[in-house]
Amino acid sequence: VQLVESGGGMVQPGRSLRLSCAASGFNFGGYAMHWVRQAPGKGLEWVSSINWNSDTIIYADSVKGRFTISRDNAKKSLFLQMNSLRAEDTALYYCVKDSGNLGSNWFDPWGQGTLVTVSS
Amino acid sequence: SFILTQPPSVSVAPGKTATITCGGHDIGSKSVQWYQQKPGQAPVLVIYFDTDRPSGIPERFSGSNSGNTATLTIGRVEAGDEADYYCQVWDSTSDHYVFGTGTKVTVL
Repeated sequence: VQLVESGGGMVQPGRSLRLSCAASGFNFGGYAMHWVRQAPGKGLEWVSSINWNSDTIIYADSVKGRFTISRDNAKKSLFLQMNSLRAEDTALYYCVKDSGNLGSNWFDPWGQGTLVTVSS
Repeated sequence: SFILTQPPSVSVAPGKTATITCGGHDIGSKSVQWYQQKPGQAPVLVIYFDTDRPSGIPERFSGSNSGNTATLTIGRVEAGDEADYYCQVWDSTSDHYVFGTGTKVTVL
């Protein structure tokens, strides 16, 4: 199982960025997926989750209305569209596989992350 | 929102036992996961469903969960166990995933 994030970079406040996660080594379309972020020197913060067929999507309050999670099962890819970015969105963003569908499951494995820096 | 509280740091001598707590209201009614994060690396799952270990995780790692506290116990601590540890639950009331505040384990 491998998860490889891309799309991070430095962006000005108020601008947009789209993260991607390429999955391999498992039946991507059979599992929920997540984005989790970690600000520099801080703890883990759950950002958003999407179930296997995209009909259940949830967001942390801190990003709701600004971020959009999506997936393409045919291309084994997960995305995070981030709009109206703020300085507090600066973090390493991890793509994470669920052990099943959404709910009381576990996050495993994690990608290596892609760094997003929001600064003027 | 549901809050999970962990001690910021735990120090332990090699060969001894490290105990990391994760406090939350009635956490015993939820399923708790634990993740290990070494410096510069992505988190790794070490305990799921309160007490279960993924393949490849040493038996020295064990978990328990009751009442308002979940616990990760690391027996016969080694230098390689030095890392940050996070607990995590699914809060069905808010439909949110929640991570604990994290505990830095230092091996003396």
